[in-house]
Amino acid sequence: KQEVTQIPAALSVPEGENLVLNCSFTDSAIYNLQWFRQDPGKGLTSLLLIQSSQREQTSGRLNASLDKSSGRSTLYIAASQPGDSATYLCAVRRARDDKIIFGKGTRLHILP
Amino acid sequence: NAGVTQTPKFRVLKTGQSMTLLCAQDMNHEYMYWYRQDPGMGLRLIHYSVGEGTTAKGEVPDGYNVSRLKKQNFLLGLESAAPSQTSVYFCASSRMAGGPFEQFFGPGTRLTVL
Repeated sequence: KQEVTQIPAALSVPEGENLVLNCSFTDSAIYNLQWFRQDPGKGLTSLLLIQSSQREQTSGRLNASLDKSSGRSTLYIAASQPGDSATYLCAVRRARDDKIIFGKGTRLHILP
Repeated sequence: NAGVTQTPKFRVLKTGQSMTLLCAQDMNHEYMYWYRQDPGMGLRLIHYSVGEGTTAKGEVPDGYNVSRLKKQNFLLGLESAAPSQTSVYFCASSRMAGGPFEQFFGPGTRLTVL
């Protein structure tokens, strides 16, 4: 059974710091991994998608890496800003049945 | 493009009532999904569809039915609502296999069952 774990569940850091969010998954047979952002009371916004053959993707201050063999992904946020405060979720697309499995997310609070 | 839209945005039901949630996408995506999101449980897949006229069960399908009569629409039905179905419901869509699998989400429907 594919499980996706995100640690920590919550994180507070001062503005301007660089930070790393972690995502681990138990079954390495995946098509891709996707990072989302969710603001309170809102839907999910896709941030980055990494295909199984890729090792990383970058968008602005965000960089996501994928190590499929060890079942890990990280989301690196550079020079954090208060506007980055949100819940960040990762999701893997399982190869054997094409289902998407979500982690429970990391609640990020950037302190002004 | 509107992307993925959901109606209604909010709804309050009494136990035993029925309702249908509508999801529409204008990106010509083959795959569509219904999730529910509950505190501490994360997002859980209810039902999904890999194409017009097809549906399949997800992780928590009991108490829900779905239909995909048109490619752009995916309906989620509750025949007899229960308080345990109080949740936020999200619809999503993505392209079929062979291309980018990025999922796009709707804004959600907040459902309360009294």
